Amino acid sequence: EIVLTQSPATLSLSPGERATLSCRASQSVSSYLAWYQQKPGQPPRLLIYDASNRATGIPARFSGSGSGTDFTLTISSLEPEDFAVYYCQQRSNWPLLTFGQGTKVEIK
Amino acid sequence: QVQLQESGPGLVKPSGTLSLTCAVSGGSISTNNWWGWVRQTPGKGLEWIAEIYHDGSTNYNLSLKSRVDLSVDKSKNQFSIKLYSVTAADTAVYYCARLSLRRVDYWGQGTLVTVSS
Repeated sequence: EIVLTQSPATLSLSPGERATLSCRASQSVSSYLAWYQQKPGQPPRLLIYDASNRATGIPARFSGSGSGTDFTLTISSLEPEDFAVYYCQQRSNWPLLTFGQGTKVEIK
Repeated sequence: QVQLQESGPGLVKPSGTLSLTCAVSGGSISTNNWWGWVRQTPGKGLEWIAEIYHDGSTNYNLSLKSRVDLSVDKSKNQFSIKLYSVTAADTAVYYCARLSLRRVDYWGQGTLVTVSS
C-alpha cells in the first residue's frame, strides 16, 4: 500500500501569508495526486487533481505542483475562509486509493 | 450539479450489519464514473472502503473486502453498502462519493454511524 505523509501536521499563519503544504508518497504515484480542503462538519472538497489541475470553481490562489513522490499545495495569500484541514490523495495503483493524514492550517 | 445524500441508521449494534444508501440527484448514475464509500474517523482519518460501477462491477479496500457488499439500483438512481460484523472500530462518518478517474469529485454530506449496544 502506498503511504502518503503530509507535513507539517499544523501550519500557523496569518491571513495574507503564503501557505506551503507538503505530501510525500512512499513510492512514485506519477501525477495521480489530488488535494482536498475540509472544514468542520463538512465533507472534503476537491481542490486540485492530477497534481496541478484546479477543480471547477477553485480560486487561482490555490496551486499544486510535483510528481513522483513529492508534492506541494500552495495557497498564495491566505483568505479567512482558507483556514481548514487539507488532505492529499493518491490513486496510482488503481483501484487502490489512499489519503494522507492531513495538515491543519490555523490562524496564528 | 450532482448531489449525493446518504441515508440509514445512525446506530448499529456490535456484530450487526451497517446498511447505508446513497441517493444521486442532478445526474444519472449510469455515467462513466464509479460510485463509492469513504469513511472518516479521528484515529484513522479518511479511508476508502469500496466502489461500484453502474454495471455492477466493484472494487474494494482489501482490508474490508471480506465484510462489504455493494449494490446499485439504476431505476432509483442510488447505490448502497452493507458492512457486516461491525465493531466499535467501524464507528465513523460515512460519506458516499462519486469517483472520477483518479479523484473524488463529489461527496455526500456524510452520516455518523455509531456502533454500540
